[in-house]
Amino acid sequence: ETGVTQTPRHLVMGMTNKKSLKCEQHLGHNAMYWYKQSAKKPLELMFVYSLEERVENNSVPSRFSPECPNSSHLFLHLHTLQPEDSALYLCASSRAGVPYNEQFFGPGTRLTVL
Amino acid sequence: AQTVTQSQPEMSVQEAETVTLSCTYDTSESDYYLFWYKQPPSRQMILVIRQEAYKQQNATENRFSVNFQKAAKSFSLKISDSQLGDAAMYFCAFHLNTGNQFYFGTGTSLTVIP
Repeated sequence: ETGVTQTPRHLVMGMTNKKSLKCEQHLGHNAMYWYKQSAKKPLELMFVYSLEERVENNSVPSRFSPECPNSSHLFLHLHTLQPEDSALYLCASSRAGVPYNEQFFGPGTRLTVL
Repeated sequence: AQTVTQSQPEMSVQEAETVTLSCTYDTSESDYYLFWYKQPPSRQMILVIRQEAYKQQNATENRFSVNFQKAAKSFSLKISDSQLGDAAMYFCAFHLNTGNQFYFGTGTSLTVIP
C-alpha cells in the first residue's frame, strides 16, 4: 500500500460520455501528477499540480481536464474521448521542492473507450 | 529535451541467476536523480532503487544494484539471485533537481523462468 488510491480501477465509456477519474493521496505530499501509460511508449506526463501551481503537457487534448481542489485530491475529467485514449491512467504524488524525492504511484485506472 | 531510452523491451532470466537491464538518458543538466521503478502485473508501480547524479558510488538495495556511468549517461540495473517475484515491467526514470517533472523510459518486461 503506497498511500495513493485511484477510483475507479476500470472504466469503459463511449465516445459521447462524460466521466471523471479520482485520485487521493494520504502521504502529506504537495505535488500530484497524471500520467498516461500506453503499451510500448514512455509514460506520458499529462498534468502536474505542484504547490498549487499547474503545469501541463501542451500535447494533451482539451478533452482531458484536470482538477485539483486541494493537495490530497486530484481529478481527471473526461469528455468526448476517442478510442486512442484507451490506456492505463496513473496518478502519482511526491513532495515538491525536496531533493531526491520519489514519486508514489496509485494502482491506475484502466480506461477503455468504445 | 530530456529523454530516457530502454533498448530492451523484453528480457528473461533463469531463477537464481543475474540479469542486467540497460538504460541511457539524455540531459544537458548536471543535477538530477535517477530511479528504477518496478510495475508487477496488475499492481502498483513501486520504487526499486535511486541514485543521486553527484554521487559516484553506485547505489545498492539488497539484490538490486546499479551501474551508473555519468559521462556515458548510462544507468543499468542489476538484479542478482533473481526470484519469481521479480517478474515485472521495469522503468528507468530521472528527475531534474529543478522542476517537478519525472522522465520515464518505455520499460523492460522481465520474465523469470523457474
